[in-house]
Amino acid sequence: DAGITQSPRHKVTETGTPVTLRCHQTENHRYMYWYRQDPGHGLRLIHYSYGVKDTDKGEVSDGYSVSRSKTEDFLLTLESATSSQTSVYFCAISERWGYGYTFGSGTRLTVV
Amino acid sequence: EDQVTQSPEALRLQEGESSSLNCSYTVSGLRGLFWYRQDPGKGPEFLFTLYSAGEEKEKERLKATLTKKESFLHITAPKPEDSATYLCAVQASSRQETSGSRLTFGEGTQLTVNP
Repeated sequence: DAGITQSPRHKVTETGTPVTLRCHQTENHRYMYWYRQDPGHGLRLIHYSYGVKDTDKGEVSDGYSVSRSKTEDFLLTLESATSSQTSVYFCAISERWGYGYTFGSGTRLTVV
Repeated sequence: EDQVTQSPEALRLQEGESSSLNCSYTVSGLRGLFWYRQDPGKGPEFLFTLYSAGEEKEKERLKATLTKKESFLHITAPKPEDSATYLCAVQASSRQETSGSRLTFGEGTQLTVNP
């Protein structure tokens, strides 16, 4: 996963606590995405960014917010974690329109 | 709404036994179809992009083909190291550029190749 790093790799948190996941890229790509992957659902888009301070919602955005203050960083925040947000979260980047993604290694989040 | 259906959900092969994975899709104008490989505990790894019906791409033992309604990933003489989950995704051409290259993924086919 050269050029894209997710942190932390694993996290266990309690219901109701805020959680922030970080995605950092060194490729200077315009587009960044947050997906979650769950059995029976595959990869589903949470939020994406098409530039600094430019973000939009995906198909499963409820309960999540994002921020992108620099090209290289895209943060995903769970304001008040719930058990339904237990999942594996992947960040992805793409260079421009029409290109496939490069994915990070994922963050496994468990909400207890 | 864009939809991607992959079959079978799981496939077990003996080493050297060739087979194909299927990806059926519905999309409002296909801009691209993507194949990814995902190993346990890792993020998906890009394999191919196909843009138009009739197009084919090859990489080692893998060959991807595309029609107007589906794509196939053919695996010739597979080896145990080909064991992974293979994901298919589509990108619609109707999206605005500011929407980014949003992909809709299928749930994947889990391939196991036994020695």
